[in-house]
Amino acid sequence: DSGVTQTPKHLITATGQRVTLRCSPRSGDLSVYWYQQSLDQGLQFLIQYYNGEERAKGNILERFSAQQFPDLHSELNLSSLELGDSALYFCASSASGADYGYTFGSGTRLTVV
Amino acid sequence: AQSVTQLDSHVSVSEGTPVLLRCNYSSSYSPSLFWYVQHPNKGLQLLLKYTSAATLVKGINGFEAEFKKSETSFHLTKPSAHMSDAAEYFCVVPLSGGYNKLIFGAGTRLAVHP
Repeated sequence: DSGVTQTPKHLITATGQRVTLRCSPRSGDLSVYWYQQSLDQGLQFLIQYYNGEERAKGNILERFSAQQFPDLHSELNLSSLELGDSALYFCASSASGADYGYTFGSGTRLTVV
Repeated sequence: AQSVTQLDSHVSVSEGTPVLLRCNYSSSYSPSLFWYVQHPNKGLQLLLKYTSAATLVKGINGFEAEFKKSETSFHLTKPSAHMSDAAEYFCVVPLSGGYNKLIFGAGTRLAVHP
């Protein structure tokens, strides 16, 4: 157990729907990162939050949004889902910046049908 | 800008033989570098990290990597492969300039045969 908890582990939904992925960071970590892993794109950085504020943005679609709550858990919202959004979504946390690496959760596998 | 190139998409070894997974990096300075491992249907686990201290870095499960600035390489090695080492391995560099994100290589899938 890495200490980073992601729920649900698996999600199957239809095109056009909206889903919410949840992440609880490791105790004491203020930063949360979201990554998408797909067969054709590899691991892509989506967004980072630090202590409730958005800190960095990557290749995140406008249909996707995220937030970090006062208790530091984070949610990634995916809307108007398309088949191409099917992927493994990882959350990671760190105490400081990326220079010391992250701790990853086990991921949420999203399948859009 | 920082980047990493993993030179092999697939590596196949026999159990008990050495493992070499190759990674070259591109950076205007000596970066931090990491190797992560992803077992099937699992998350990513940090194997080891280089942060400008010793150039030979020891990680978990008997893996180690050597930072070679002259060759801009950070190859991952293990003297003797075990069946449980079969996984995907990622060489990773953080993006500098105040960006808190990691840049992942394309990954190397390691197969271990009995």
